[in-house]
Amino acid sequence: DTEVTQTPKHLVMGMTNKKSLKCEQHMGHRAMYWYKQKAKKPPELMFVYSYEKLSINESVPSRFSPECPNSSLLNLHLHALQPEDSALYLCASSQAVQTWLSQYFGPGTRLTVL
Amino acid sequence: AQKVTQAQTEISVVEKEDVTLDCVYETRDTTYYLFWYKQPPSGELVFLIRRNSFDEQNEISGRYSWNFQKSTSSFNFTITASQVVDSAVYFCALSEAGGTSYGKLTFGQGTILTVHP
Repeated sequence: DTEVTQTPKHLVMGMTNKKSLKCEQHMGHRAMYWYKQKAKKPPELMFVYSYEKLSINESVPSRFSPECPNSSLLNLHLHALQPEDSALYLCASSQAVQTWLSQYFGPGTRLTVL
Repeated sequence: AQKVTQAQTEISVVEKEDVTLDCVYETRDTTYYLFWYKQPPSGELVFLIRRNSFDEQNEISGRYSWNFQKSTSSFNFTITASQVVDSAVYFCALSEAGGTSYGKLTFGQGTILTVHP
């Protein structure tokens, strides 16, 4: 079962709100990823967690705060976002952080910042 | 640094036509992996295929086939007898084995495929 779930599907928030995106996988994968995708563009890597530890932060602004409470769950906490942060946020997982391993993506959360 | 180029921004075909999506990559590594993903309007990226740099065998899976040529740094994707359900954005991606980009996917800009009935 290659399934990654994400909640919520859609989120509208104001610039002063605090919200969280949630990602879950039950494939026993030990690597999890957050990507941001703007319309008509490819996904851009934001964060990588390996064995529940943050291993890559692609210079993402601190208003995005990732958290990996356990090997199945990945959260992205949002605070004081800007309208330009509106995008599709995709979560992915793979067996480990290795070049040859395929990443499996969730359906994404469409975020709108007003 | 690695780079993936999908020169075709949009392709439009009529159902049952064959269509080829081009992918050209650049890398200095000798060990690397190439991927194709499909992104339908629902948003989820669906993994289609992975190919390593040492395996130049072409692959066929149903109506899908892939042609990997190291000599031209290309990894093209052909859909035979296209169907409306093939309408999606298709991304080619590269993952290198070495350096700070270890395990990181570099995506092409994507090709929007529209199949008309």
